[in-house]
Amino acid sequence: ETGVTQTPRHLVMGMTNKKSLKCEQHLGHNAMYWYKQSAKKPLELMFVYNFKEQTENNSVPSRFSPECPNSSHLFLHLHTLQPEDSALYLCASSRYPLVAGEDTQYFGPGTRLTVL
Amino acid sequence: QKEVEQDPGPLSVPEGAIVSLNCTYSNSAFQYFMWYRQYSRKGPELLMYTYSSGNKEDGRFTAQVDKSSKYISLLIRDSQPSDSATYLCATSSGNTGKLIFGQGTTLQVKP
Repeated sequence: ETGVTQTPRHLVMGMTNKKSLKCEQHLGHNAMYWYKQSAKKPLELMFVYNFKEQTENNSVPSRFSPECPNSSHLFLHLHTLQPEDSALYLCASSRYPLVAGEDTQYFGPGTRLTVL
Repeated sequence: QKEVEQDPGPLSVPEGAIVSLNCTYSNSAFQYFMWYRQYSRKGPELLMYTYSSGNKEDGRFTAQVDKSSKYISLLIRDSQPSDSATYLCATSSGNTGKLIFGQGTTLQVKP
């Protein structure tokens, strides 16, 4: 397995469910990110982790709870979501946190989330 | 005002056409400019990046930055059906490296 992988690829959940999204990177990177991609909107940065420590929370509601047990794995725990949370959730990683250019971010394929 | 503006399209062109995709940005502190390509049901992949003003060419793709007018563009020559995707522009000041994305332009190249 190479690059950035995400599971599941598709998820349908009710508003009272609890679920988790998983991301794994095989690039030896130190920083990992969660983004939300909604239709007709730019990618929204949600969380940033650097060496397992959260360095940015972009005013994300508490119903989204990230977890980074090590530099290779990132989780997004979901509970009591709203229908407007339906979107593509993308994980990304980079060698260093938030540096642009060559040391840029590599994305996984995303989890398509539908909240009923 | 959005920090990065990008026409969402969709843009439909015949195979072999020259395509120009454009973005404008508002923050003069932005110094890094990137183009990502996103195929359907996939994550974005880095296509090209440039630092400050100027042009950068890679095969059929040319990225251009005009900092005086806060305008960035991606030129695709001899477009192919495999170029059909959504193209996202992104910028960063480099101080934090936080990427600011445009909305994305959907391109369809018809055989």
